[in-house]
Amino acid sequence: DAKTTQPNSMESNEEEPVHLPCNHSTISGTDYIHWYRQLPSQGPEYVIHGLTSNVNNRMASLAIAEDRKSSTLILHRATLRDAAVYYCILFNDYKLSFGAGTTVTVRA
Amino acid sequence: EPEVTQTPSHQVTQMGQEVILRCVPISNHLYFYWYRQILGQKVEFLVSFYNNEISEKSEIFDDQFSVERPDGSNFTLKIRSTKLEDSAMYFCASGGVVEKLFFGSGTQLSVL
Repeated sequence: DAKTTQPNSMESNEEEPVHLPCNHSTISGTDYIHWYRQLPSQGPEYVIHGLTSNVNNRMASLAIAEDRKSSTLILHRATLRDAAVYYCILFNDYKLSFGAGTTVTVRA
Repeated sequence: EPEVTQTPSHQVTQMGQEVILRCVPISNHLYFYWYRQILGQKVEFLVSFYNNEISEKSEIFDDQFSVERPDGSNFTLKIRSTKLEDSAMYFCASGGVVEKLFFGSGTQLSVL
């Protein structure tokens, strides 16, 4: 599986944006970049995915570098409910392979 | 909003016993998965199921594990003879398209 590298943890203040980086220097041309998150005591939850262009949805935005070797998940206004582990995953072979992710803490 | 439902939420069993974990995927979804998460560790892929057959399985998914979709609505994971190391949270997931999966809340399996 192609590997992603994420910081172990990040902290944010409520109502402020959060930028979660992900490095994937060995990404192949057909790998989609997926983000899932896991709230405490829950199953993973789909956040967003993209291939080359930046993507926006009601939960977040995904900014993909031009060379596709890195990407950034942007939570525009963090709330306490956004405290979770965020996983950046290169989707291939019809399955998700989870790494350790980034633990996001949101301060009130 | 439709959701993946898993039962039971907690299951306690004795080592060597058989357990069946049950999942009701979202209606009309085509892709089905089981994952597990040992406490404090990452989410691990077990098996994927498409078109009424296993499409891929991990090294964890040995002969003690099996999956079924018996009636077109339920999706089950059976562990024939549980071991202590099978203790984990087991997540079922389904997807209408393979790129976007919906996960259940999990079954916490404790093997004593």
